[in-house]
Amino acid sequence: QQQVKQSPQSLIVQKGGISIINCAYENTAFDYFPWYQQFPGKGPALLIAIRPDVSEKKEGRFTISFNKSAKQFSLHIMDSQPGDSATYFCAASDNYGQNFVFGPGTRLSVLP
Amino acid sequence: DAGITQSPRHKVTETGTPVTLRCHQTENHRYMYWYRQDPGHGLRLIHYSYGVKDTDKGEVSDGYSVSRSKTEDFLLTLESATSSQTSVYFCAISFDSSYEQYFGPGTRLTVT
Repeated sequence: QQQVKQSPQSLIVQKGGISIINCAYENTAFDYFPWYQQFPGKGPALLIAIRPDVSEKKEGRFTISFNKSAKQFSLHIMDSQPGDSATYFCAASDNYGQNFVFGPGTRLSVLP
Repeated sequence: DAGITQSPRHKVTETGTPVTLRCHQTENHRYMYWYRQDPGHGLRLIHYSYGVKDTDKGEVSDGYSVSRSKTEDFLLTLESATSSQTSVYFCAISFDSSYEQYFGPGTRLTVT
């Protein structure tokens, strides 16, 4: 019940295209859903996050869509750029952030 | 990396030896976390701290202990390292229960 599933495992997109990564969870107590971006040799960096009281949050080219009834959330990267090539992790948390659960990650490659 | 340093950045050790990893923050954040990152598993929480001398177990705490005697330092100890503990270890910090966690640069540990 603590697991967060993430798909696809890897994704190749052309420059200017839309990258979409999906996550699903089971624990209805989760109430915080962040996305992290990680470049090789670096620590994960918080990209954008959403709470279940809204269905969508947008920051620049990055948008989270959240479907509470389906227990799913997704990251959309508009106008994808080669600099977006990285591994993306979704996560979910409850209990004041003391139980952070990460998805297995999606390796995104944006071709020039 | 949000004022977080980890030491050492790389370490090779032999099975059965004790190992201590250090996380140091300059942000005066209350919460600190230790994660391990392995291919296909994303990041998994080992232990966390919600204040000086206040710690609790995460998802994969077996074989690990932690200590926090000062706000700025959080130590992770492997009492007797095993090959299954070969991984990349990340420290994270959080100001409060608002959930935003910020990660350090990581320590790559190899147990031979």
